[in-house]
Amino acid sequence: QKEVEQDPGPLSVPEGAIVSLNCTYSNSAFQYFMWYRQYSRKGPELLMYTYSSGNKEDGRFTAQVDKSSKYISLFIRDSQPSDSATYLCATLGGGGSNYKLTFGKGTLLTVNP
Amino acid sequence: GAGVSQSPSNKVTEKGKDVELRCDPISGHTALYWYRQSLGQGLEFLIYFQGNSAPDKSGLPSDRFSAERTGGSVSTLTIQRTQQEDSAVYLCASSFTGRNSPLHFGNGTRLTVT
Repeated sequence: QKEVEQDPGPLSVPEGAIVSLNCTYSNSAFQYFMWYRQYSRKGPELLMYTYSSGNKEDGRFTAQVDKSSKYISLFIRDSQPSDSATYLCATLGGGGSNYKLTFGKGTLLTVNP
Repeated sequence: GAGVSQSPSNKVTEKGKDVELRCDPISGHTALYWYRQSLGQGLEFLIYFQGNSAPDKSGLPSDRFSAERTGGSVSTLTIQRTQQEDSAVYLCASSFTGRNSPLHFGNGTRLTVT
């Protein structure tokens, strides 16, 4: 089992839809959780950074972490065509792995105008 | 401020040649990382620098791959005797401390080995 699993999609939604992107992870030591957005031929861009369980909101984006079920989510409200990109979840743990991110493979999202 | 800068943005090389990829991290960031991104494979960790030393080189695929960092700043990833399977996007990232801090990525070098 890979440490971080992410459905690669692709996911296609109409403009204005609510988008839900999800990842599961296997290592209970992970404490920090990130979402990156990657446009075509660009590097990943940090979108959200959260610690432990709970929700974090930033504009149209909400990151949610449920450590009991090892499940992380990113919600995008009122999705826009400019949100079309690949979304990568990433985790970071305590102890010896407090510097190395483990990534999911990414979900390709297309928002259609 | 300036982000992570990588050069060249694209590199085409013949099988068997050596290549050097350069990364200029965000000023003040002590940690620097190299990742590789291949189609369908996600981001693969290669190496982590803290200052000029590399406490984790566990992701380097073979001894053809090496990296160095000088002055706590610029890093170079060198691939010797390139093979076709080395074709990928090589991403550099830096972070403020390297401990529980998020990574900031450059736009990568797209390497094609013919």
